[in-house]
Amino acid sequence: EDKVVQSPLSLVVHEGDTVTLNCSYEVTNFRSLLWYKQEKKAPTFLFMLTSSGIEKKSGRLSSILDKKELFSILNITATQTGDSAVYLCAAFSGTYKYIFGTGTRLKVLA
Amino acid sequence: NAGVTQTPKFRILKIGQSMTLQCAQDMNHNYMYWYRQDPGMGLKLIYYSVGAGITDKGEVPNGYNVSRSTTEDFPLRLELAAPSQTSVYFCASSYSIGGPNTGELFFGEGSRLTVL
Repeated sequence: EDKVVQSPLSLVVHEGDTVTLNCSYEVTNFRSLLWYKQEKKAPTFLFMLTSSGIEKKSGRLSSILDKKELFSILNITATQTGDSAVYLCAAFSGTYKYIFGTGTRLKVLA
Repeated sequence: NAGVTQTPKFRILKIGQSMTLQCAQDMNHNYMYWYRQDPGMGLKLIYYSVGAGITDKGEVPNGYNVSRSTTEDFPLRLELAAPSQTSVYFCASSYSIGGPNTGELFFGEGSRLTVL
């Protein structure tokens, strides 16, 4: 059965801290790994990763994929209160399904 | 562009009632999905479709039905609503027919359903 597991489930940090969120997957015919940020409404897209070892960056956020060990990490440096959200990762499979993890709830304190 | 449009945004149902959540996308996407999200949980796949006329079950299909008669529309039908179906429902789509394969999943704003 396809599954995506995220850790930690929740995290509380102070502004300026650096956080690392983890996502491991076991998915049939894996194609890509996606990261989303969810605040109060629908998830918003952050990254899509298809190749191992190639870091993707957007401002203070970066992510990398390891297809041999079947995991990805999302790093956020110099965290701000606006980074408080649930971070979801999803694996896209060859059966055309996006399988989501339960998410990591991040709270950044001022 | 409207993107993915879901209606209604909120609905309260009585046990045993039926309803349809509407979803439409105007991006010429061939893949469409219905997810439910319970409080504090991730997204669970209910049904998905890889094109008009083709649908398949996801992880939690019981109590739901879908149809895909056009590329644009993917309604979700709840028959005999139960309290366990109280959730937030998201419709999503991806992959433009004949366009670049970005892989990004686009979401509607969600429909909050309460069954009492």
